[in-house]
Amino acid sequence: QSALTQPRSVSGSPGQSVTISCTGTSSDVGGYNYVSWYQQHPGKAPKLIIYDVNKRPSGVPGRFSGSKSGNTASLTISGLQAEDEADYYCCSYAGTYTLVFGGGTKLTVL
Amino acid sequence: QVQLVQSGTEVKTPGSSVKVSCKASGGTFSSHSFSWVRQAPGQGLEWMGRISPIFGTANYAQKFQGRVTITADELTSTAYLELSSLRSEDTAVYYCARSYGGNWECDYWGQGTLVSVSS
Repeated sequence: QSALTQPRSVSGSPGQSVTISCTGTSSDVGGYNYVSWYQQHPGKAPKLIIYDVNKRPSGVPGRFSGSKSGNTASLTISGLQAEDEADYYCCSYAGTYTLVFGGGTKLTVL
Repeated sequence: QVQLVQSGTEVKTPGSSVKVSCKASGGTFSSHSFSWVRQAPGQGLEWMGRISPIFGTANYAQKFQGRVTITADELTSTAYLELSSLRSEDTAVYYCARSYGGNWECDYWGQGTLVSVSS
């Protein structure tokens, strides 16, 4: 169960869009539509922002969207805002009732 | 309003064990699953395992097999994580997280419990 691969950092200016990738294998990301994304601000618990690849929980702005192609999932944040600056983690079901997280991506809003 | 309230900071010595609790309120405890996720200082999230009280079954990440035990007490709506043979690398914040029913996403998280392992 190796961690999913995410870029260590991404950045964008307010109003712009950024996309964070999450690459796994056919045994996790590519094999199931159970990819979720979490936002974590410093010193806080993670917060669910996307589940089942592209579904948003109630209360999460429509600026956040998810997609998947093959073994790579992506999180896109449109209309960047200052409060979006945080760490983002992808997570996938990996078979045999297990989950695996990505290494995390630090988003900087310039 | 779903809430997960975890036990407080633990300071342990290498080779000992720790047991962290996570008390759930605001939902039907046995209908959901509870995962444990840890985060070492400055590092990312790491899934350790999960229990489904209604099935009474727990599943663990391969890395922690044999060293971790996750249990649940339906009477007190509390999930537990026990980690044995502690080493310095186990120093981390440990989070419990709920999944609705058998879903795989973690929709509610506890506040985290710091476990510090040092001689």
